[in-house]
This record gives sequence, structure tokens and C-alpha cells, in this order.
Amino acid sequence: QQPVQSPQAVILREGEDAVINCSSSKALYSVHWYRQKHGEAPVFLMILLKGGEQKGHEKISASFNEKKQQSSLYLTASQLSYSGTYFCGTDWAGANNLFFGTGTRLTVIP
Amino acid sequence: EPEVTQTPSHQVTQMGQEVILRCVPISNHLYFYWYRQILGQKVEFLVSFYNNEISEKSEIFDDQFSVERPDGSNFTLKIRSTKLEDSAMYFCASMREQGAGGYTFGSGTRLTVV
Repeated sequence: QQPVQSPQAVILREGEDAVINCSSSKALYSVHWYRQKHGEAPVFLMILLKGGEQKGHEKISASFNEKKQQSSLYLTASQLSYSGTYFCGTDWAGANNLFFGTGTRLTVIP
Repeated sequence: EPEVTQTPSHQVTQMGQEVILRCVPISNHLYFYWYRQILGQKVEFLVSFYNNEISEKSEIFDDQFSVERPDGSNFTLKIRSTKLEDSAMYFCASMREQGAGGYTFGSGTRLTVV
């Protein structure tokens, strides 16, 4: 039930781009993306509903491929503030909870 | 910005003792959740609560765990007889409606069982 994220960790220089992937073995109803900074609670970034949409949030956007049961988070022109662990959360029709992925630790260095 | 409030922020308890973790969700939210995160690991689902009853629970949420919404504002998680492996950060979360937004998490309660 738990989605799988890749990569597990990535280090970027400021201004570089990154892609984080999230895959599920079950058909998805929605995908959420969250960022968690060390010692803090996860913070909601965006939700994608089934339909293959893409959404944006500042320089962070995401896509959802329903057929492949995958979502990708795109971070462009990364900033130091983007550092943290990114989690996808997935659910399926009829479920009333999210299962969170294994997390991707992103470190942006000057 | 509305917040989910959790108390206490830290709790140390002896193995076998009962603990109650408290949460005040955002007032117009309808769905409530408890998750836990063992240090440095994934965020694990415990239980979801809607319309004054449990809607789903995980295998972690065994007979030692219970949830209540006693007064329409507080949302509590009780662990009856704590074990060492219950040590974790416990997060409460709430959501207004499905599909319209995400979860708002509280800042968590760090539970240490000794």
C-alpha cells in the first residue's frame, strides 16, 4: 500500500532542477505532496486528482499519470529554502487516509 | 492562518503507563487523523476519524490505542499501556473535505517511552 519514492536523497546547488518520483501499486484517486523540514511537521504543497493534471506552486510543480499510477514533483531553479524531506501521499477511491511514501531528502547547497 | 494544535510537545513516560495525546483540529475541518513518525523514518498512518467515528485504522492501531472526540473540538489519542517501540513523533492532522485540499498537520508530540 505504501508508495515508493525515488530517489531517496538528492543534493543540488542553488538554481539547479530536480525531479522526485512517486509510484503506487494500486490505482490512485489522488496524490498529495508535502515537504517536511527537520524537526517540523509536514507541510502541504499540492494535491493532484486523477485525470493526469499538472499543477504548479511557485517554482514547484507536479504531474499525475493515472495509467502508470505515478506522480512526479518538479523543482526548478532550486532555492536554499527548498531543502527538506519530500513525501508523496496517496489514496484510492473509498479510502479515507493517505499512505505516505518513503520520502526523498533534498539538500540545496549554495 | 488556522492551525492544528497539539499538546504536550514532549512526553516522557514509563513503559506500561497510559498516555493521552491531545489535538485541537481546525474548527471547520471534518476529517481527522493520527500519524506517527519514528525518528528519520516514514510517516505511518494510525487512524482516521470522520462523523464521530473511526473510518479506517492501520494494523499498528491495535487494542492498546483508542481515539475520542469528547467535546466537538478536542481529538485525543490514548495509548493504554505504552511499549518502548511506541516512542515516536505523533502527528495529528485535519482536512476540510476530500479532494479539495491537503492535510494540515499539528506540530507533533514527541513521545519517549523509557
